[in-house]
Amino acid sequence: NAGVTQTPKFQVLKTGQSMTLQCAQDMNHEYMSWYRQDPGMGLRLIHYSVGAGITDQGEVPNGYNVSRSTTEDFPLRLLSAAPSQTSVYFCASRQTGIVSPLHFGNGTRLTVT
Amino acid sequence: TQLLEQSPQFLSIQEGENLTVYCNSSSVFSSLQWYRQEPGEGPVLLVTVVTGGEVKKLKRLTFQFGDARKDSSLHITAAQPGDTGLYLCAGKTGNTPLVFGKGTRLSVIA
Repeated sequence: NAGVTQTPKFQVLKTGQSMTLQCAQDMNHEYMSWYRQDPGMGLRLIHYSVGAGITDQGEVPNGYNVSRSTTEDFPLRLLSAAPSQTSVYFCASRQTGIVSPLHFGNGTRLTVT
Repeated sequence: TQLLEQSPQFLSIQEGENLTVYCNSSSVFSSLQWYRQEPGEGPVLLVTVVTGGEVKKLKRLTFQFGDARKDSSLHITAAQPGDTGLYLCAGKTGNTPLVFGKGTRLSVIA
């Protein structure tokens, strides 16, 4: 099994450009989420979804949109990139259940100039 | 907002030494997880603890959940260079999303 697959692995954007970070999982997990990781800040939750058609905001949602049309895919959209969005982005999924572990992708390193 | 404070933030030790990493909060958690992250990869789950006072061992790693379920510790015995990485604790209460600490970056020097 591939687990959680994120594309692209690296991306450079200019301020104001838009792009979509892709995330796909093949484990039939209902729960999917997006985190950003910045030095000294740990992992901060951007958006999450408990199932197809359902999304909710996390700790730092501003500037990002998500949708969940299928169980497998959970894309993250940056509508107008800003330098403050320079970060490493991780997608993660898990089975429903309070103690289920999160399975992470290998991240997308985004630089906004 | 629930906060998880991890200490120390950085730790550099010689191979063979023992170490303890702490994860503290003022909030009560129904479960707490520890993850390890290596450069260029996503975090990987090490353990989940759910009962106050619970102790779990994973080879040379010992995890403890505080009696009040507000804190946890990770103890590594005889550290090896392969233990190098970022250690993250994460807590959960009810249906709220998992909250992560900022991590402890461990470097084990051969």
